[in-house]
Amino acid sequence: EPEVTQTPSHQVTQMGQEVILRCVPISNHLYFYWYRQILGQKVEFLVSFYNNEISEKSEIFDDQFSVERPDGSNFTLKIRSTKLEDSAMYFCASSNREDYGYTFGSGTRLTVV
Amino acid sequence: RKEVEQDPGPFNVPEGATVAFNCTYSNSASQSFFWYRQDCRKEPKLLMSVYSSGNEDGRFTAQLNRASQYISLLIRDSKLSDSATYLCVVNMVNYGQNFVFGPGTRLSVLP
Repeated sequence: EPEVTQTPSHQVTQMGQEVILRCVPISNHLYFYWYRQILGQKVEFLVSFYNNEISEKSEIFDDQFSVERPDGSNFTLKIRSTKLEDSAMYFCASSNREDYGYTFGSGTRLTVV
Repeated sequence: RKEVEQDPGPFNVPEGATVAFNCTYSNSASQSFFWYRQDCRKEPKLLMSVYSSGNEDGRFTAQLNRASQYISLLIRDSKLSDSATYLCVVNMVNYGQNFVFGPGTRLSVLP
């Protein structure tokens, strides 16, 4: 079964540092997403990406966040100047239609210290 | 009103029991509905889509009531392996096509 792959599985970073979370979506999927889940809380939408541009973003996705699809296979989330409250599980997801259910990656647990 | 609300849970049921989860959503224009399950510290996994006519997949039955903006998930003959958090997911048409997750309902199936 095709998978969405995320690396690293766990990242520890110091407050103020930049991190890049990486994702390889399913190869024939066209829609890509980042969600996050703070421990014990619900899954929250960050951003959706289609046709090499952001199609939708939430209030959480402020200027410290950016996404990129640099080479046609990877899909990255960059967080500049991380804050303690950025500590969460970050999930990448992809879909081949915008109204289909997503396939999620196994997540990157980000810990900001 | 919150965008997607679910039974707060947790639900603790014995093996073999039938259990039902409820979900309500605020956007009457929403078109796509799903149930996901999430195991502890794992990613959400798509359990089933929810169609207008209702749909069944083995022991799982999903129903949609558009008039009441209500979705349900019924699990029959519950197994220990059904223990997880069940997430109701709805697309919020007025906010693009992104999907909004409910807070989840935790199910524990006990031997």
